[in-house]
Formats: sequence, structure tokens, C-alpha cells
Amino acid sequence: EAGVTQFPSHSVIEKGQTVTLRCDPISGHDNLYWYRRVMGKEIKFLLHFVKESKQDESGMPNNRFLAERTGGTYSTLKVQPAELEDSGVYFCASSQDRGTGAGYTFGSGTRLTVV
Amino acid sequence: QKEVEQDPGPLSVPEGAIVSLNCTYSNSAFQYFMWYRQYSRKGPELLMYTYSSGNKEDGRFTAQVDKSSKYISLFIRDSQPSDSATYLCAMKVIQGAQKLVFGQGTRLTINP
Repeated sequence: EAGVTQFPSHSVIEKGQTVTLRCDPISGHDNLYWYRRVMGKEIKFLLHFVKESKQDESGMPNNRFLAERTGGTYSTLKVQPAELEDSGVYFCASSQDRGTGAGYTFGSGTRLTVV
Repeated sequence: QKEVEQDPGPLSVPEGAIVSLNCTYSNSAFQYFMWYRQYSRKGPELLMYTYSSGNKEDGRFTAQVDKSSKYISLFIRDSQPSDSATYLCAMKVIQGAQKLVFGQGTRLTINP
């Protein structure tokens, strides 16, 4: 079974530019999550999709961040315009069940550097 | 105050030692407790999960939850150099939001 795949693995962009991160969940996993870890801090929740619907987007930092999951398959997270404080590692995770959190599988993350 | 507190370390121990990692939390609504292991440039990988209070053992790993003290622990017996990684505790409430709340992670090195 293929795992959760994230593209790109690393992105360096200038402040003010736009970046789009992509996540391909495990096939058949209806639940998809985005998390972020900024330098020196803990991993923090951004949002949760169930199929194509946003179930919880309480962790999205501001309206410069836009997440989509067209057709309930892969998801994109766009940052426009990027700011320096957006630098960090963005993780995607998927799960089949919504219950325990034990079924989460994380991707390797996209390391975003805004200069 | 953070919901989950975890000493970031780093922690360095000799091979074969027993390692104790722990987290404290403030939200009494947490019911699911997890330990993830993260190797460099990789995503977190689930190691152990426990529902409510009690102990759970899996090979060399033992997870303990003490809800009365809001304290969870992970013990690693007969530690190996391959156990060198960052260990993250994570928690979730039983109902409502599906998000995991993470500790900062403890960076562990096992020296041969």
C-alpha cells in the first residue's frame, strides 16, 4: 500500500510569492488532515477534510492560506502571498476512520522556506 | 500555557539503557493518547496509542497514562541506536474535533 505522498519535498520562495503544496492520501482514506510545524514549536493542526468537505478549519492561521480537496482525492494547500513566518514543515495525514486518531498515516512533509 | 508540555531535550543515553519520556497536559477532555516516532526528514510514525488511563506494552515499548495527574509516559527498554529519533506525544478528545494536539517532541540519541 502506497503511503501518503507530499509534493514538493522542499520549496524555497520569496516573500510575497505564491506556493502550492500537494498531498496524495492513501487510497480510500476519506479523512485528510494538514498540520504544520514552525521552527522550535510543536506540530499544529491546520484543517481536516472529510472527502471533499472541510470538516474543521479552525487551525488555519489566516486568509492567505487556502486548502482544497477536489473530488475527495488529493488536496492542495496554497499560501498567497507567502510571509516569512509561514516557513516551516507542512505535514499531511490521512485516515480511514475518524475515531481514535490511531489510524493516522503522515506524509514526509513539505519543508517551506520563505526568504 | 500550552495544552501539552514535553521537554524537547536533547536526551542522550547509552545503548541498552531504559529510556523514559513523558508529557503533561492541561485539557482533562483528552481521552486518546499517542506516541509518535519521527526520524529526520520523515513524517511522524505511530508507535503506541492508549485510550484513557492505564498501561500498554508492545515489545520493548510501554506506554502509561495517568489521567489523575494528567501525565503520560513512554518507556523504551534495551534501547538500540536505531531508536534514535524525535519522540512526539499527541492527544485527542473523544468527541468533536478530530485534531491531534502534539507536544514539542523530545530528541533522543542512543549511543552505541
